Amino acid sequence: DAGVIQSPRHEVTEMGQEVTLRCKPISGHDYLFWYRQTMMRGLELLIYFNNNVPIDDSGMPEDRFSAKMPNASFSTLKIQPSEPRDSAVYFCASSPIPGAAYGYTFGSGTRLTVV
Amino acid sequence: AQKVTQAQTEISVVEKEDVTLDCVYETRDTTYYLFWYKQPPSGELVFLIRRNSFDEQNEISGRYSWNFQKSTSSFNFTITASQVVDSAVYFCALIIEGGGNKLTFGTGTQLKVEL
Repeated sequence: DAGVIQSPRHEVTEMGQEVTLRCKPISGHDYLFWYRQTMMRGLELLIYFNNNVPIDDSGMPEDRFSAKMPNASFSTLKIQPSEPRDSAVYFCASSPIPGAAYGYTFGSGTRLTVV
Repeated sequence: AQKVTQAQTEISVVEKEDVTLDCVYETRDTTYYLFWYKQPPSGELVFLIRRNSFDEQNEISGRYSWNFQKSTSSFNFTITASQVVDSAVYFCALIIEGGGNKLTFGTGTQLKVEL
């Protein structure tokens, strides 16, 4: 089992550019979560999917953020246009059943720096 | 709304000392799950333990032990005979049954174990 795979590990981009973060969940996991980690706000849930359908996106900060899950093995988080305050570590996580019963497996994260 | 408080921002100990990381949670729900995650300097989030609200038995896993007390809404984590490799940020987290699968994290405790 390769675990949750995120790419890229590091991304440096200029303000105003589009950024796309990618995630491959563990095969068979029906739930996928995107979290953001910053010094100021800690770990916060942005959005989660169940069977490829977005269930709760109330944590998405602004319209500049969008997430998709076109199939069970792939999800993207896009920021357009990016701003310096978007600099953070973005984690993807997956779970085979609702997290209350199992917990999540996290990817290694993508460290985004917007200059 | 649920909340997790980790009052200890940073703890420094000398190797072989025992150390306890505190976690206090708030929820009105009777069914919930508590977690501890470890974030080493490499940045990934590593699942350590899950405990449901109906199981107040303490748990021991090697040098790690957890003390769950509903009466004080606490779920503390003790490392016995700490080692340098234990240096990491430790997060306590909470999910409410039926609460939308949102894993709510505390702000984390930075543990530094020195020789």
